[in-house]
Formats: sequence, C-alpha cells, structure tokens
Amino acid sequence: GQQLNQSPQSMFIQEGEDVSMNCTSSSIFNTWLWYKQDPGEGPVLLIALYKAGELTSNGRLTAQFGITRKDSFLNISASIPSEVGIYFCAGLGGAQKLVFGQGTRLTINP
Amino acid sequence: EPEVTQTPSHQVTQMGQEVILRCVPISNHLYFYWYRQILGQKVEFLVSFYNNEISEKSEIFDDQFSVERPDGSNFTLKIRSTKLEDSAMYFCASSATSGVETQYFGPGTRLLVL
Repeated sequence: GQQLNQSPQSMFIQEGEDVSMNCTSSSIFNTWLWYKQDPGEGPVLLIALYKAGELTSNGRLTAQFGITRKDSFLNISASIPSEVGIYFCAGLGGAQKLVFGQGTRLTINP
Repeated sequence: EPEVTQTPSHQVTQMGQEVILRCVPISNHLYFYWYRQILGQKVEFLVSFYNNEISEKSEIFDDQFSVERPDGSNFTLKIRSTKLEDSAMYFCASSATSGVETQYFGPGTRLLVL
C-alpha cells in the first residue's frame, strides 16, 4: 500500500532556531497536508498543498509540494516553545483516504 | 470556528464488550471518516462514509466494525466485540467534499480495552 516516510523522527532544538522536516513516498499524491498533534488531542491542520511545486506559508511555517508529487517539506522559522508537539505529513491517497507519515516529535528548549 | 466534536473523550471497556464512539461532524460537511492511532504510532485510516454508505475502508475495518449516521448530525463507530488490540485513540474527521478538500479532525476518543 501507499506509505509515507517522514524524517527526522525527532528533533531537539533551542528556541529561535529554524526547523525542517520532510516526507517522501514512492507513490504520487494529489494533495499533501501538514498537521500538528498535541498530546491527547487530534491532529490540527497547519498547511494544505494542492498543486505540484506549490509553496505555501502560514505565519512562520512554510511548506512545499514537491514537483514530482512524491515529497513535501515543512519549515518552521524562529521556533517558539508553544510549537512543541508531533508534526505529521499526510497525503491524499485514494479519493478520500489520508495516508499519514510516522510523525516528527519536536522538542524546543527555551 | 466550526469544529468536529467527539464523545466520550475516554472509554474503558472489558474485552468482548460492544462500544459505540460518537462524533458530530462540521455541519455543512458531507464526507465523514474514522481513523485510529495506537499509542506512539501514526494515524491510520479506517473508513470513509458518504451519502449513507461506506465509500472506502481499510483492512483494519473488519466485520467487528460498523459505522452509521443515525440522524442528521451524528456519525458513530461501533466495535461489536472489542479486543485488547483495539485500544487506541479514535479520531473522527469530516470534509466538505471529497478528493482535494481537506479533512478536519475531532479531539479523539481514547479507548482502553481491558
């Protein structure tokens, strides 16, 4: 089946540093989504990407949909402590089925 | 801002018992989904539902699982005879349309099967 490989699995950074994470797949996806999940809560949508090559920003977050439609990255500039959590990429596989990456656990030291 | 709600937030049950997890999707959405997340693992798709029928399901969604939209607002997931390995967070999601429209997730129900 379709799978997403997300890296890194975890990151430990200082407040104010930039963060970069990515997802790759052997399959093509038509939509890429980036979610953040806090402990005990549901995933919250951060950025949605609909077109190959698209670069989209949401505040200090920037994400790009790879031109091959098989990868995406998420960058966070000047990270702040409230951005700790687990970040998931997700691709729209079948008509409705979201395929999730394994997640990147972000820890920020103030 | 409209949001997906789920009840209960936590449920503890004995193995073999039936559980029903409830969701109220965003009001103008037409597509509904259930996902699950075993502790420490990624989110996995279970089933999608549109126009009062299942449109797609995963291999996880076996005969023990069923979904229903009993009225105009609720969307339920029933597990007929729970197993220990059903312990997980169960997330409901909804979207306005299929395909490129994004899915919005509820806060989840944590199910613990003893």
